[in-house]
This record gives sequence, C-alpha cells and structure tokens, in this order.
Amino acid sequence: DQQVKQNSPSLSVQEGRISILNCDYTNSMFDYFLWYKKYPAEGPTFLISISSIKDKNEDGRFTVFLNKSAKHLSLHIVPSQPGDSAVYFCAASKRIGNNRKLIWGLGTSLAVNP
Amino acid sequence: KAGVTQTPRYLIKTRGQQVTLSCSPISGHRSVSWYQQTPGQGLQFLFEYFSETQRNKGNFPGRFSGRQFSNSRSEMNVSTLELGDSALYLCASSLLSGSANEQFFGPGTRLTVL
Repeated sequence: DQQVKQNSPSLSVQEGRISILNCDYTNSMFDYFLWYKKYPAEGPTFLISISSIKDKNEDGRFTVFLNKSAKHLSLHIVPSQPGDSAVYFCAASKRIGNNRKLIWGLGTSLAVNP
Repeated sequence: KAGVTQTPRYLIKTRGQQVTLSCSPISGHRSVSWYQQTPGQGLQFLFEYFSETQRNKGNFPGRFSGRQFSNSRSEMNVSTLELGDSALYLCASSLLSGSANEQFFGPGTRLTVL
C-alpha cells in the first residue's frame, strides 16, 4: 500500500522553464511533508519542507504547494537549470504515539535539458 | 562540520553470508535512520535509533538488525543474505528523533549479493 505516490517516474523540462513535480498521499494524518533531491552515487539531500498548517513554502527557485483537501503537494522549480537534473523524493511524516513515521514516495527523475 | 559517513562504500557478498554496515552521524546528531533503496521500491525505511534505543522499525524481516553506540555511531547487520538484499543502504542522521526533522544522508553502501 503506497501511502505516498509520485505517479510520474520521470519528467523532462527545458532549461529556463518551470518544473512541476507532483506527489499524492492517502493518509490525512500526515502533517509534515518534505522534498529531497538525489544525485547518482550520493545520498538524498533535503530540499524544502512544508507543514500542514501552511499551503505554500518558498525558498529561492523552489516552492512547495500543499492542497490538503486534495491530499496533493507539488514542487515547483523556476527557472529550471541543468544542475537540477536529479531524482526528487517526496516524503510525508505522521505522528504515531510518541514517535513519528516518515513514508517516502518512489521518486521522480527530472532531466533539465540545456 | 563533517557529513554522515558510511563504510564500506561497496560490498560484494554471497548468499547465506552476513554483513555489517557502519554509519557515523554528523557530530551532535543523536538520531540515525537506515534505509534500503532499490530501483523499483524507492526508499524503504528499516529502523531508527536514538540514544542507543530503537525508536521506529519498518517492515523488514528479523534478518535485518541494528544497534547504536554511545557515540551515536550505528551499525546495521543483515544475516543469511539473499539475492534480493542487493541494494543501496543509506544512513541518515538528524539532531532529534522524529522524521519531521531534516535528515542528512550519507553516500550509502552499495551491497551486491551473488
């Protein structure tokens, strides 16, 4: 049961244009969402996060939008650069008792073409 | 500040053997999480240790075990290796327990089981 879904395994965008990566989740108990970026042969690196009390968080070229009613979040990269080519993972966190659990999507491979 | 280090970076084992992977978190971080990454399954959570105690556990068989030492360094052990255990094993550290905190990943250990 994939609670966090990234339905597009890959995405190709032209340099300078907008990249939109999507993520859907099924459990309304998730209250914190994170995006990570992963280059080949490296571990993922944290990109940006958003709490469920917000609907938008912006950091430079990266903006994450959260639509709680649709259980959907998206990562916008504007403008896209070739160095943004990587696999992007969406992750959702929920509290279970005194602990928290993090569920990861399968990732979307972004290719930004010069 | 040094990042998360994992040793070894690459490992080749045969079925039935056992393996121990090591992770040194960022100095001051007390939480260490382990993940298995395979092409079709994305990032699968194995377990999290905080202050030498296992805080969270994923859905992996008992062949997968771990521990954390007083200096926060962590080891992961896989016994009776199977072909399907071939994967990239990632370790992530964070300051606090709980996956809402930003996690810092190591480069991973690439395990190949023949």
